[in-house]
Amino acid sequence: NAGVTQTPKFQVLKTGQSMTLQCAQDMNHNSMYWYRQDPGMGLRLIYYSASEGTTDKGEVPNGYNVSRLNKREFSLRLESAAPSQTSVYFCASSETHPRGQFFGPGTRLTVL
Amino acid sequence: QKEVEQDPGPLSVPEGAIVSLNCTYSNSAFQYFMWYRQYSRKGPELLMYTYSSGNKEDGRFTAQVDKSSKYISLFIRDSQPSDSATYLCAMSAYDNYGQNFVFGPGTRLSVLP
Repeated sequence: NAGVTQTPKFQVLKTGQSMTLQCAQDMNHNSMYWYRQDPGMGLRLIYYSASEGTTDKGEVPNGYNVSRLNKREFSLRLESAAPSQTSVYFCASSETHPRGQFFGPGTRLTVL
Repeated sequence: QKEVEQDPGPLSVPEGAIVSLNCTYSNSAFQYFMWYRQYSRKGPELLMYTYSSGNKEDGRFTAQVDKSSKYISLFIRDSQPSDSATYLCAMSAYDNYGQNFVFGPGTRLSVLP
């Protein structure tokens, strides 16, 4: 039982490049989330998916897109990376009833 | 006013001390309250989950919620160097769009041997 897994662990991009961050969970959770974490800002919600087939914007969605591929997988895409997107990205999942979220190990992204 | 406020610290205590970590919030709709521990360069790890007002104990950890004051606390008894981490409070409620989680910015704790 791996919980929430994320790939890659680290990535360096140049401004304007695109990439997809992958996330998978094996806990049969309905809800999945993408956050970014910046020093002094805490965790900010980018997008979430309450259930398979649905996605909704969070607090900071600009510059990102998501895909809920199936119940297990939720990907985050940066179409044209900008230095302001340098951050640590966390994926999380939870049951429909909000007993708390389970987080992946994170992806450290640097955009030059 | 931010939706969730938390003293960022850093907070340094000697081993064996009782630690009190606190958050205040402004949205009275929050019903579910959580504490996470985050070690450096790791993902947040769910420590405690409570629903509505009251206390919940789990080993050396006690979570306390006072909805009337919009104030939650996490107490750590007999603190250990391994408790050194950043502690995040989080709150949740259902709104028109589904489930809404909001996190505090975190308090950095160092427990000195």
